[in-house]
Amino acid sequence: KQEVTQIPAALSVPEGENLVLNCSFTDSAIYNLQWFRQDPGKGLTSLLLIQSSQREQTSGRLNASLDKSSGRSTLYIAASQPGDSATYLCGQGGYQKVTFGIGTKLQVIP
Amino acid sequence: GAVVSQHPSRVICKSGTSVKIECRSLDFQATTMFWYRQFPKQSLMLMATSNEGSKATYEQGVEKDKFLINHASLTLSTLTVTSAHPEDSSFYICSARRSGNPWETQYFGPGTRLLVL
Repeated sequence: KQEVTQIPAALSVPEGENLVLNCSFTDSAIYNLQWFRQDPGKGLTSLLLIQSSQREQTSGRLNASLDKSSGRSTLYIAASQPGDSATYLCGQGGYQKVTFGIGTKLQVIP
Repeated sequence: GAVVSQHPSRVICKSGTSVKIECRSLDFQATTMFWYRQFPKQSLMLMATSNEGSKATYEQGVEKDKFLINHASLTLSTLTVTSAHPEDSSFYICSARRSGNPWETQYFGPGTRLLVL
């Protein structure tokens, strides 16, 4: 059974700090890995998509890496800002569906 | 490219009424579309898969008569929650895939939040 785990479940950091969110998956048959942002009461925003043939993707202050051999992906946020406060979800693209983690709730304190 | 939209973004309805949610692929044709649901403090779970012009395939435990899915064109899929009840209140999100290749990337819409009073 495909499972995706995100650690930590919640994280609180002061503004300006660099941080790493973790995502691990049990199924080695991965096609891609996506990171999303979800604001309270709002919808999903796609942040980064890493294909299985890639090792990382970058967008602005965000960098996501993928290590298929260890079943892990990380989302690195540089110089965090209060506007980064949200829940971050990772989704493993596999056969016929995407399996999601529960998410990491991030709070960046001004 | 690969933008997916949903309408409405939020909907409030009375118990017993039906609600229709639209999912559109804006800049590509989607052979396959998917519907997911997010329960509070849980991960998004796949509800059903639909291919254009054919009946949807529902995941175990999802009532097909309760959640009607129509994929009438290559850019539009609709989810109708029939006779909605408060327990149907949830966040519904769709995704779209260009081809029938089960390994191809799914592109996600922003989601629709449904509240049933």
